[in-house]
Amino acid sequence: QQQVKQSPQSLIVQKGGISIINCAYENTAFDYFPWYQQFPGKGPALLIAIRPDVSEKKEGRFTISFNKSAKQFSLHIMDSQPGDSATYFCAASPNSGGSNYKLTFGKGTLLTVNP
Amino acid sequence: EAQVTQNPRYLITVTGKKLTVTCSQNMNHEYMSWYRQDPGLGLRQIYYSMNVEVTDKGDVPEGYKVSRKEKRNFPLILESPSPNQTSLYFCASRSLFSVPRTAEQYFGPGTRLTVT
Repeated sequence: QQQVKQSPQSLIVQKGGISIINCAYENTAFDYFPWYQQFPGKGPALLIAIRPDVSEKKEGRFTISFNKSAKQFSLHIMDSQPGDSATYFCAASPNSGGSNYKLTFGKGTLLTVNP
Repeated sequence: EAQVTQNPRYLITVTGKKLTVTCSQNMNHEYMSWYRQDPGLGLRQIYYSMNVEVTDKGDVPEGYKVSRKEKRNFPLILESPSPNQTSLYFCASRSLFSVPRTAEQYFGPGTRLTVT
């Protein structure tokens, strides 16, 4: 059972364009939604994260939009740059109650930004 | 520098030969976890630990063991590796009691394991 569905699998955008990656989750116990960025040969690194009490969070060119009723969240990369070319993973986890703080990951999106 | 380290980074071994992948963090984190990454499957949790001597299974624990004798170390043990354990492995850690509270998990650089 895949609890976090991510789309698209791959995405090609031109420099300066907007990259949009979408995720949907099923488990209502999730209350922490991070996005990770992974470059080849490196471990995932936290890019930006959101909790369900807000509908949007922006950090520089990166914005998370969150729709709690639809159980969906998305990553928007404005003014995409070739250096943003990487694999992006959405994830979700519970963040309270003494439970396993396991991150449940989407399958990833390979973003290529052409110069 | 705050970091999670893993060793070795690359390993090629044969079926049945026991191996250990080490993981160490210098951030005094209580929670540590192992994930494996496979093409098209994302990252899946193998085992996790909430603190010293407290470990539990994740989603794909078959064929793996872990131990947590010290807070900073969380080795992953494959007692009889098989080809289906060929994968990219990541160790991660997070604080459970930091102030201000943060849920960020820090990942190591990965260990690419090939079992022939």
